[in-house]
Amino acid sequence: DSGVTQTPKHLITATGQRVTLRCSPRSGDLSVYWYQQSLDQGLQFLIQYYNGEERAKGNILERFSAQQFPDLHSELNLSSLELGDSALYFCASTGEGRASGNTIYFGEGSWLTVV
Amino acid sequence: AQTVTQSQPEMSVQEAETVTLSCTYDTSESDYYLFWYKQPPSRQMILVIRQEAYKQQNATENRFSVNFQKAAKSFSLKISDSQLGDAAMYFCAYRSYQIQGAQKLVFGQGTRLTINP
Repeated sequence: DSGVTQTPKHLITATGQRVTLRCSPRSGDLSVYWYQQSLDQGLQFLIQYYNGEERAKGNILERFSAQQFPDLHSELNLSSLELGDSALYFCASTGEGRASGNTIYFGEGSWLTVV
Repeated sequence: AQTVTQSQPEMSVQEAETVTLSCTYDTSESDYYLFWYKQPPSRQMILVIRQEAYKQQNATENRFSVNFQKAAKSFSLKISDSQLGDAAMYFCAYRSYQIQGAQKLVFGQGTRLTINP
């Protein structure tokens, strides 16, 4: 158990709909990262938050948005969904300093299928 | 900006043999972490091994070891006595070391490893 919790684990929705993916980082971790992984593809970096603030953006579509709340959990909102948005969405967190910063903790991912 | 390159999209090895996966990275930072993650068909991300840049000694974890060449910015993974369960996608990753602030996290494109019985 990595300590990173993602919900839902599986989600099937129709094109044009909106979904919200939730991530609770490992206790004490301030940094949260979101990644998209399509079938047989690498990890596409979407966005990064640190202690509630957006710190870096990757190839995140305008239809996607995210935020990190004061309790450090994060949500990724995907709207106007298209078939091509079907993917596994990972959340990862990492700590600071030598003691807890030397590992990247991954959630099990949220499988999104758009039909 | 930091980049991580895995130049081998696919690799295959005979069971019980040794295979080496390549990874190079680019950074101007002097302190950072490097990782190899394994992603089996279940798609779960599993930490294989990690290396702290300030440590000169190469990390080892049972059958897994790395060859860390800091000056050359190279971080290869050697798997000895390959087993069928080692078949997976392997990702090389870089994480900057910062005491406060947003740590950069960069992944390579992945290498798919096939084990031939």
